Amino acid sequence: TQLLEQSPQFLSIQEGENLTVYCNSSSVFSSLQWYRQEPGEGPVLLVTVVTGGEVKKLKRLTFQFGDARKDSSLHITAAQPGDTGLYLCAGEGNTPLVFGKGTRLSVIA
Amino acid sequence: GAVVSQHPSRVICKSGTSVKIECRSLDFQATTMFWYRQFPKQSLMLMATSNEGSKATYEQGVEKDKFLINHASLTLSTLTVTSAHPEDSSFYICSARVGGRGQPQHFGDGTRLSIL
Repeated sequence: TQLLEQSPQFLSIQEGENLTVYCNSSSVFSSLQWYRQEPGEGPVLLVTVVTGGEVKKLKRLTFQFGDARKDSSLHITAAQPGDTGLYLCAGEGNTPLVFGKGTRLSVIA
Repeated sequence: GAVVSQHPSRVICKSGTSVKIECRSLDFQATTMFWYRQFPKQSLMLMATSNEGSKATYEQGVEKDKFLINHASLTLSTLTVTSAHPEDSSFYICSARVGGRGQPQHFGDGTRLSIL
């Protein structure tokens, strides 16, 4: 079974601060996805990374896929209250999409 | 594009009732649909994978006789929670995918099931 460890589980920061969320596994994934989920809604895809070492940027969000395709990170620059939510990483390999436990981010104005 | 609609969005019913949840791909034909369950403050756990016209593949620990999945067309899959009990209360989310692995999954907005 492929498992994804996500850290930190909870994060509360002030507006304007930077943060990084990590997603780690001992397994290799063919692709890794990051989602954001609002309460009472389904997850919304932010990005998919497929190549080892790949870096993708989405405005203030930077996503990186590890060289060995076992880990990934999400970095948010100058966080805003609107970034508050649950961030989930999910990996796909020889099994269907496996989700990490999520990072609940709270950005305080 | 790639909209997945889930219905109902919320269900409250008595213990022992069977509840059906629908998952529709509105503007595309989904080769595969997935059903997830999410307990409060936890992540999504895959329950089963279904391909149109064939039996669903259930994850370990998920009772196939308890959670009946029907995937009769390329745009509709249903999950029926039979004889639901309070411990079945959860947030159920479906997703749909065109093509095989590596293709993106599109998620519905979930169904909040509360069993009294």
